[in-house]
Amino acid sequence: DVKVTQSSRYLVKRTGEKVFLECVQDMDHENMFWYRQDPGLGLRLIYFSYDVKMKEKGDIPEGYSVSREKKERFSLILESASTNQTSMYLCASFGGAGTYNEQFFGPGTRLTVL
Amino acid sequence: DQQVKQNSPSLSVQEGRISILNCDYTNSMFDYFLWYKKYPAEGPTFLISISSIKDKNEDGRFTVFLNKSAKHLSLHIVPSQPGDSAVYFCAADNSGGGADGLTFGKGTHLIIQP
Repeated sequence: DVKVTQSSRYLVKRTGEKVFLECVQDMDHENMFWYRQDPGLGLRLIYFSYDVKMKEKGDIPEGYSVSREKKERFSLILESASTNQTSMYLCASFGGAGTYNEQFFGPGTRLTVL
Repeated sequence: DQQVKQNSPSLSVQEGRISILNCDYTNSMFDYFLWYKKYPAEGPTFLISISSIKDKNEDGRFTVFLNKSAKHLSLHIVPSQPGDSAVYFCAADNSGGGADGLTFGKGTHLIIQP
């Protein structure tokens, strides 16, 4: 069964803190993604990765970085959290197999920056 | 520049009737379209998809129609059930398999009334 897990469901941080959001998938997928979801804006792609050590900027990478040291793990880093980064963060993975292009999402991390 | 548009933020439908959710796109390079369903505090889950070479795809109560000339797709749910109440996201892909991430609309909140 497809599974994407995220380290925290809810997180509260202070402005200026360094924040790590962890995502793990157990499907041996090569492609992993970080999105944020905001009311009225839908899902927006922050960063994605094709493979270990590889990373690509998405549509809104400013203020974020990522790390992919192992195939199953993709981390999103907020170097200095700001209040406008309060959002729902969604990790996804995609193996490319079959005829479907769907990405499998984790449950999300609701981050609040005070 | 919003490439995938869901112009109805919310839609209310009576239980047992048909729900029709609409989506428009502007990028003619999109070759695959997907619908995701999202409950509060959960990640999106894949619902149904359609390739640009087709004009209809059906899966149980869910049917997606694609009109390429109008750059329009719609999701039909018949009959609507209370468990269908959720936010529905339309998404599109032009990367030959979703490896570069999907482009999402802002979502439509479907409310099924008893």
